[in-house]
Amino acid sequence: DAGVIQSPRHEVTEMGQEVTLRCKPISGHDYLFWYRQTMMRGLELLIYFNNNVPIDDSGMPEDRFSAKMPNASFSTLKIQPSEPRDSAVYFCASSFNRVNSEAFFGQGTRLTVV
Amino acid sequence: GENVEQHPSTLSVQEGDSAVIKCTYSDSASNYFPWYKQELGKGPQLIIDIRSNVGEKKDQRIAVTLNKTAKHFSLHITETQPEDSAVYFCAASRGSYIPTFGRGTSLIVHP
Repeated sequence: DAGVIQSPRHEVTEMGQEVTLRCKPISGHDYLFWYRQTMMRGLELLIYFNNNVPIDDSGMPEDRFSAKMPNASFSTLKIQPSEPRDSAVYFCASSFNRVNSEAFFGQGTRLTVV
Repeated sequence: GENVEQHPSTLSVQEGDSAVIKCTYSDSASNYFPWYKQELGKGPQLIIDIRSNVGEKKDQRIAVTLNKTAKHFSLHITETQPEDSAVYFCAASRGSYIPTFGRGTSLIVHP
């Protein structure tokens, strides 16, 4: 397996624009996580899914953020409208069978909102 | 919820020296403690983990120790090499809860 695949690797957008980040988890993994990494706050869990169902979205900062998982092999994180403070590296990760087992991270999407 | 504190935030060592990173956690019911390594431009990758039924675990040059009474655990890297330079994260969780990550330690190994 190629691992967790995220796209795009880099995204630069203007404030107010919609941004969509994409993730393909490892085949067979039933948990998918979205994290945000900043210098100020470290690694923050935004939301996670189990078998495509959102379980906990308490980490999503505002209504501007939304995430979907339409099937077992694809998830999106959308920010609409984007703001400069959303600039960060966003990671998708997946794991098998339970939440406290090894999480496999993608390479991340570096988002810059100007 | 769980709170994980990690120290130091930056650690600079000479090649061949040992490096120790320490973490404390708040939830006495936590029973899973993974360590992740994040190289520049990449996502974190699990390097070692320990569960609460053991006090120490080793894998070649890295080891993790757990003190449940004091609620702290540590990562030890011996004979450091330049390729060990990275950001290291500790985490803690219990049961069906998602691990809570520490803020990370930037390890720099000077040749």
